[in-house]
Amino acid sequence: GDSVTQMEGPVTLSEEAFLTINCTYTATGYPSLFWYVQYPGEGLQLLLKATKADDKGSNKGFEATYRKETTSFHLEKGSVQVSDSAVYFCALGGSARQLTFGSGTQLTVLP
Amino acid sequence: KAGVTQTPRYLIKTRGQQVTLSCSPISGHRSVSWYQQTPGQGLQFLFEYFSETQRNKGNFPGRFSGRQFSNSRSEMNVSTLELGDSALYLCASSPPGPNTDTQYFGPGTRLTVL
Repeated sequence: GDSVTQMEGPVTLSEEAFLTINCTYTATGYPSLFWYVQYPGEGLQLLLKATKADDKGSNKGFEATYRKETTSFHLEKGSVQVSDSAVYFCALGGSARQLTFGSGTQLTVLP
Repeated sequence: KAGVTQTPRYLIKTRGQQVTLSCSPISGHRSVSWYQQTPGQGLQFLFEYFSETQRNKGNFPGRFSGRQFSNSRSEMNVSTLELGDSALYLCASSPPGPNTDTQYFGPGTRLTVL
């Protein structure tokens, strides 16, 4: 079945550092790929998505590229801020509107 | 446009009771999905409804059920609560059209079973 493997956390960075959170997936067909972010006490917010190979999703300085050859969708940001502290989830979606999530990566950014 | 709303935000129940959670999707969204989030199991899919019909179901016991109304609002019910049902329950809605696989989540209902 479909699965998502996500970089183990927690990740602690200083403000303005470069961020990479690794995500690889196993799926049949050509799923859409997503990154969601969860702030404390809140639900999930869609951060970015990509629907086909070589698509790049981007939002709020975050980027991720759909790499079919390596089945990866790594999240990157060039300069993190304290406000980026949250839990990040990689997910893949199929035709049945059932998202399969990774285990989440806790990011803490220190001033 | 208002986002997905869920009520109540917090619930405390005791073992053996039942509970009903409510979700109102984004206006115009007809698909509603439910997920359970726990520290041990992460985010797990419960079920998905479209036009009042359950189209997809995750691997949960029959104690977990749901329904959708003609206005697309959805409810989920958990009967005979167990301690392990303590979790954050998230509802998500999906738009019609080309972005139909994109899900927008509500704030969740935090259920504590004592």
